Amino acid sequence: DTAVSQTPKYLVTQMGNDKSIKCEQNLGHDTMYWYKQDSKKFLKIMFSYNNKELIINETVPNRFSPKSPDKAHLNLHINSLELGDSAVYFCASGARGANTGELFFGEGSRLTVL
Amino acid sequence: QKEVEQNSGPLSVPEGAIASLNCTYSDRVSQSFFWYRQYSGKSPELIMSIYSNGDKEDGRFTAQLNKASQYVSLLIRDSQPSDSATYLCAANFGNEKLTFGTGTRLTIIP
Repeated sequence: DTAVSQTPKYLVTQMGNDKSIKCEQNLGHDTMYWYKQDSKKFLKIMFSYNNKELIINETVPNRFSPKSPDKAHLNLHINSLELGDSAVYFCASGARGANTGELFFGEGSRLTVL
Repeated sequence: QKEVEQNSGPLSVPEGAIASLNCTYSDRVSQSFFWYRQYSGKSPELIMSIYSNGDKEDGRFTAQLNKASQYVSLLIRDSQPSDSATYLCAANFGNEKLTFGTGTRLTIIP
């Protein structure tokens, strides 16, 4: 059983299109995250939800819209894709509080914008 | 801005030797620190967490934390080719999020 699963693994699309990535975790965690990893491997947080409530919204263009229908799911929709959006997007889940930082990552979704 | 800094490498270490990975951070109030391992094309995987000054050992891995110097390190003893990966240092600055360094690419040479 995969702990954190995200789909699709690969997306290839044209500039200007819209795309969505879905994430689900079965670890019972209250907190879920979206991270972006660029070509230099730098992993940067984008959003965090705790029990469906947005708690972190980094400086991310409003073309990116996360949605958490319940605490086990966190989706990411991206409008009007740009070349600079090409990256690997990782979903993660973890506990909140003292152990914030012990995260479990999904396999990643590699987005290529042409 | 609160930051985590690592030498990006690559760091090459002969098989069987000790690999030493270093990380510094900018904020004295940081309470918890983490090392993640990421194989090429895979997702980051937590290998060590450390919350207090000193050493913490887990098998061949030892994490060392020195809060006064704002320094955290990871030692890998008896390095194996399977340890070849990018190692990401991360800190929780108490703001509900984990901040990562840019990672150090480690290659173990057989």
